[in-house]
Amino acid sequence: KAGVTQTPRYLIKTRGQQVTLSCSPISGHRSVSWYQQTPGQGLQFLFEYFSETQRNKGNFPGRFSGRQFSNSRSEMNVSTLELGDSALYLCASSHGTGVNGEQYFGPGTRLTVT
Amino acid sequence: AQSVTQPDIHITVSEGASLELRCNYSYGATPYLFWYVQSPGQGLQLLLKYFSGDTLVQGIKGFEAEFKRSQSSFNLRKPSVHWSDAAEYFCAVGTTSYDKVIFGPGTSLSVIP
Repeated sequence: KAGVTQTPRYLIKTRGQQVTLSCSPISGHRSVSWYQQTPGQGLQFLFEYFSETQRNKGNFPGRFSGRQFSNSRSEMNVSTLELGDSALYLCASSHGTGVNGEQYFGPGTRLTVT
Repeated sequence: AQSVTQPDIHITVSEGASLELRCNYSYGATPYLFWYVQSPGQGLQLLLKYFSGDTLVQGIKGFEAEFKRSQSSFNLRKPSVHWSDAAEYFCAVGTTSYDKVIFGPGTSLSVIP
């Protein structure tokens, strides 16, 4: 089985712009979670989608949003980028949901905001 | 609220030596416990997990972890470290009431040849 893929792998954006990141889960997995990883804050949960519905959300501002398509692929969008949004964004897919789902992570998208 | 602490930010061991990485959590009930490893430029890989049952859990790559309820700990061990084990290790906790997985700050492992 192919693993979780994330595109693009690297991205450089300017403050104020918006960005869309994409995640393709492992075939058959219906749950996709997104995490932000920074040196200062570590790994922080953004949101989880299951069957095209957001079922859980972390403590991030409304500038961070996501969606999931019928084929389980997911996108996350960050609008009005700030310098502090520079991070590695990780996507994880699982067969189950929430804490019961064993998560498989993608390699991440490295976002740099200048 | 649940929380996870990993007291050691960075650990250096010699190749062939034993390893123990510490993890403590804060939560009233028995949580779901995980250890992940992240190599440079890579995503996270699940090493092992504990949901219930035997408190000594075996994982991949020769790792094991022991759940100690009285100490709220879930320490990761490996009897003999290989140079390829150099990476960042994350302990994570999940609970059904909170319904999300919370990651610890991570421990960076360096291995001296």
